[in-house]
Amino acid sequence: EAGVTQFPSHSVIEKGQTVTLRCDPISGHDNLYWYRRVMGKEIKFLLHFVKESKQDESGMPNNRFLAERTGGTYSTLKVQPAELEDSGVYFCASSGTSGRVGEQFFGPGTRLTVL
Amino acid sequence: GENVEQHPSTLSVQEGDSAVIKCTYSDSASNYFPWYKQELGKRPQLIIDIRSNVGEKKDQRIAVTLNKTAKHFSLHITETQPEDSAVYFCAALSGSARQLTFGSGTQLTVLP
Repeated sequence: EAGVTQFPSHSVIEKGQTVTLRCDPISGHDNLYWYRRVMGKEIKFLLHFVKESKQDESGMPNNRFLAERTGGTYSTLKVQPAELEDSGVYFCASSGTSGRVGEQFFGPGTRLTVL
Repeated sequence: GENVEQHPSTLSVQEGDSAVIKCTYSDSASNYFPWYKQELGKRPQLIIDIRSNVGEKKDQRIAVTLNKTAKHFSLHITETQPEDSAVYFCAALSGSARQLTFGSGTQLTVLP
C-alpha cells in the first residue's frame, strides 16, 4: 500500500509569490489533514477535510492560505502571497473511517522557504 | 482547546541506557495519545499509541504509560540504540475533534 505522498519536497520562493503544495492521501482515506512545523517548534494543525468538505479549518493562519480537495482525493494548499513567516515544513496526513480511530499517517512533508 | 507540553526538548543518553520523555495535556476529553518518531528529513512515523481505557502499553523496547487523573503520558525506550536517535513527538486527540495536538518535540541522541 502506497503511503501519503507530497509534492514538491522543497520549494524556495520570494516573498509575495504564490506556491501550491499538493498531497495525495492513502487511497480510500476520507480524512485528510494539513499540519505545519515552523522553525523547530511543534507540529501545528491547519485544517481537516472529510472527503471534499472542510470539517475544521480553525488552524489556518489567515486568508492567504487556501486549501482545496476537489473530488475528495488529493488536496492542494495554496499560499498567496507568501510571507517570510510562512517558511516551515508542511505535512499532510490521512486516516480512514474504519479501523483504529485516530491513527494518522503522515507524508514526508514539503519544506517551504520564503526569502 | 487542547494544549500539550513535552519535556525535555533535548535528551542525550548512552547506548544501552533508557530514555524517558514526558507529556502533559489539558483537555480531559482527550482519549487517544500517539507517539511519532521523525528521523532527519523523513516523515513522522507512528511508533506507539495508547487509548484512555488502558494505563500502559508495550511494544518490544518501547512502552507508553498514561495517567488520566494527572493528565500525563510518557514514552519509555529501553536498551537504546544509535538508530533510536530522532525527534520524538507526543500528541493528543480530543474526543470531539479529529486533529492531533502535538508537543514541541524531543531531540533524542543516543551516543555510541
